[in-house]
Amino acid sequence: GIQVEQSPPDLILQEGANSTLRCNFSDSVNNLQWFHQNPWGQLINLFYIPSGTKQNGRLSATTVATERYSLLYISSSQTTDSGVYFCAARGGAQKLVFGQGTRLTINP
Amino acid sequence: ETGVTQTPRHLVMGMTNKKSLKCEQHLGHNAMYWYKQSAKKPLELMFVYNFKEQTENNSVPSRFSPECPNSSHLFLHLHTLQPEDSALYLCASSQDSRAETQYFGPGTRLLVL
Repeated sequence: GIQVEQSPPDLILQEGANSTLRCNFSDSVNNLQWFHQNPWGQLINLFYIPSGTKQNGRLSATTVATERYSLLYISSSQTTDSGVYFCAARGGAQKLVFGQGTRLTINP
Repeated sequence: ETGVTQTPRHLVMGMTNKKSLKCEQHLGHNAMYWYKQSAKKPLELMFVYNFKEQTENNSVPSRFSPECPNSSHLFLHLHTLQPEDSALYLCASSQDSRAETQYFGPGTRLLVL
């Protein structure tokens, strides 16, 4: 099945900094999503983005399907952005596969 | 608030106990999922139900028994669990099993003693 790798595994930044999280996947995808899991465990869907670019406030995401990667950008980070960011991908009729996540810590 | 609720939020049980986790979605979706999230591991899909029918069982041990009485409710019945089953159990739903986006509940944090 598809492999999903995220980097970096951990990222510590000061409030106000910008960050870029990367997701590499091993095969063609028809579904790619970014999620944020807050410190209490709640997973929130951020983007559905199998290709192209989307923006939502301070967050944006780009997926380059031909090169099998996706990037999540967070600008002007806030402490509430802390948590774990997951990328999940699906190819064909397979199940949605999650990466290991990037743990982001934003310090005040 | 994602429209998916889970109860209980925390559960401690012994290895001989029987307990059930409940998930309810208020989104009118037709697909529901159980995931397991263990420390240091990616989310693992356990079961998928689409229109009340189980469509995926990813080699889950029989001590986990799912039940989907209708499209809005999903249960996970637990019996004779092992300490290594301690994890966060997440329920999700989507319009159907091929839908773009899954919406997650807050999870049940399970500790097996």
